[in-house]
Amino acid sequence: DQQVKQNSPSLSVQEGRISILNCDYTNSMFDYFLWYKKYPAEGPTFLISISSIKDKNEDGRFTVFLNKSAKHLSLHIVPSQPGDSAVYFCAASAGTQGGSEKLVFGKGTKLTVNP
Amino acid sequence: EPEVTQTPSHQVTQMGQEVILRCVPISNHLYFYWYRQILGQKVEFLVSFYNNEISEKSEIFDDQFSVERPDGSNFTLKIRSTKLEDSAMYFCASKIWGRGEKLFFGSGTQLSVL
Repeated sequence: DQQVKQNSPSLSVQEGRISILNCDYTNSMFDYFLWYKKYPAEGPTFLISISSIKDKNEDGRFTVFLNKSAKHLSLHIVPSQPGDSAVYFCAASAGTQGGSEKLVFGKGTKLTVNP
Repeated sequence: EPEVTQTPSHQVTQMGQEVILRCVPISNHLYFYWYRQILGQKVEFLVSFYNNEISEKSEIFDDQFSVERPDGSNFTLKIRSTKLEDSAMYFCASKIWGRGEKLFFGSGTQLSVL
């Protein structure tokens, strides 16, 4: 049951270039999308999020784009830095009563930024 | 930045034994969660906890699992009789309130069931 799919297990880019990480989802009830970054031996760290009422959200070097008709979102990192090397998880949630929403995660994409 | 703290970082147990994984969420947070990640697989939701009761649980969270917030600061996950397939990294998480608030994760407890 892969409601959130990250089809690229890995991505390698050069320092200073753009990194684009992709995510697809199947559940039309999802209305909130998040990206988490994970280093080895650490828990996931929140990076950026977007509500379904928007199609773009930007935070410094990180921008998330949402295409609801295609059920697709992407994370752009510009410029990429070696410290960005980590596993990136796409996650989604559907509105539930009281705000205690669970996150459904993709399998992750391992980003390597080469100096 | 405040952190979610999990102990122990590694736990090895024999099949059939009980384990308790411990977490100290961020102090002013109201929602608490357990997630797990089996090696090579995605992070999976187990349970959410709010106002001293379970608010949602997944199919994974069967009768062998329980959660407790015994003293207002700790949040524990108990597995009564561990199985080999319970081997995974278990993450505790918390958030302050409401939709869209970011979820803070702990560093995880690696549980190995032998």
